[in-house]
Amino acid sequence: DAKTTQPNSMESNEEEPVHLPCNHSTISGTDYIHWYRQLPSQGPEYVIHGLTSNVNNRMASLAIAEDRKSSTLILHRATLRDAAVYYCILRQRGAQKLVFGQGTRLTINP
Amino acid sequence: GAVVSQHPSWVICKSGTSVKIECRSLDFQATTMFWYRQFPKQSLMLMATSNEGSKATYEQGVEKDKFLINHASLTLSTLTVTSAHPEDSSFYICSARDQVAGAQETQYFGPGTRLLVL
Repeated sequence: DAKTTQPNSMESNEEEPVHLPCNHSTISGTDYIHWYRQLPSQGPEYVIHGLTSNVNNRMASLAIAEDRKSSTLILHRATLRDAAVYYCILRQRGAQKLVFGQGTRLTINP
Repeated sequence: GAVVSQHPSWVICKSGTSVKIECRSLDFQATTMFWYRQFPKQSLMLMATSNEGSKATYEQGVEKDKFLINHASLTLSTLTVTSAHPEDSSFYICSARDQVAGAQETQYFGPGTRLLVL
């Protein structure tokens, strides 16, 4: 599985935008970029995924670099409930499993 | 979104006993389910891939005779930790994929089962 690199931790303030970076320089053409998050003592939760184009949903936006070697998860207006560990994962088209890296622990200050 | 449940949510057992954890997809069918383990302050580690009606595929280093997986129906997979020991204490999380969706379908996760072996 292609490897991703994320900062160990980030901190932001409530009601401000948050940009969570992910580097994946060895990404292949058939790798999709997935983001999941895990709130304390819970199972992971799907956030968003994309291939080449930027993606938006009700939870977040995903900005993918033109060369696809990096991506950024954008939370437009963070709330305290967004405090979680965010995982950026590459999964090859057709592959079954998701392999988690260390993720970024996001802290939101009131 | 789709819901995956786990039972029990937590369990405490004595060393040497076996513990069974159930994972159910509540509103979709899942030919494939996954079992993860997570130790405190660490990421999720994939243990095995469970396929309905066939044997599970275990990740390297995971003992298949210790962690028995059964996926007897399209909505239920079970993980049995046999002869549990304190080092098996962990947070066990299952996941399922909706077979009807496309190639990059979302993977849905259960709430986890916290196991404490005394």
